[in-house]
Amino acid sequence: QKEVEQDPGPLSVPEGAIVSLNCTYSNSAFQYFMWYRQYSRKGPELLMYTYSSGNKEDGRFTAQVDKSSKYISLFIRDSQPSDSATYLCAMSGHYGGSQGNLIFGKGTKLSVKP
Amino acid sequence: DGGITQSPKYLFRKEGQNVTLSCEQNLNHDAMYWYRQDPGQGLRLIYYSQIVNDFQKGDIAEGYSVSREKKESFPLTVTSAQKNPTAFYLCASSIGDRGRTDTGELFFGEGSRLTVL
Repeated sequence: QKEVEQDPGPLSVPEGAIVSLNCTYSNSAFQYFMWYRQYSRKGPELLMYTYSSGNKEDGRFTAQVDKSSKYISLFIRDSQPSDSATYLCAMSGHYGGSQGNLIFGKGTKLSVKP
Repeated sequence: DGGITQSPKYLFRKEGQNVTLSCEQNLNHDAMYWYRQDPGQGLRLIYYSQIVNDFQKGDIAEGYSVSREKKESFPLTVTSAQKNPTAFYLCASSIGDRGRTDTGELFFGEGSRLTVL
């Protein structure tokens, strides 16, 4: 079993839909969870950051972590065509990523149709 | 504006040639990284450096080399020993572990796409 599993999609939704993106993981030591957004031919950028379990909301985006199920989610409300991108989950067991131990999912490609 | 600059954006190489990808950052970050991204594979860590004049191998270091002579610069050389070098290469940086202020957030450059002919 891979450390981090993420459905690669592609996922296509109409504008205004609620989008749910998910990752599962196997390493119970992971405590720091992130979602990165990557537009085509660009580098990823951090979208959401969560420590341990719980929810975090930022505008139309909500990140959820369920450590008991080893499952994290990113919800996008009122999705817009500008949300079309690849979304990568990432996680680490160590505070601070400079140990090089940030583990990425393979990314889910999302397309929001006008 | 602070950020990470990668060059060149596109690079073509003949088999058997070494190529060097440039990565410069002006964010005053201690840690720098090189990732490789292939379709359906996600990001895989090649090398990382936590401090000047020191670096560690990542998961797929074979066929690659790096140097860290300056805080701002972390060039990656793709050698002829790398069996399948065609890929999208991403350089990133983070604050580092000083003062435990590092949340682990990585700041990425725009990437370099290498194609071997």
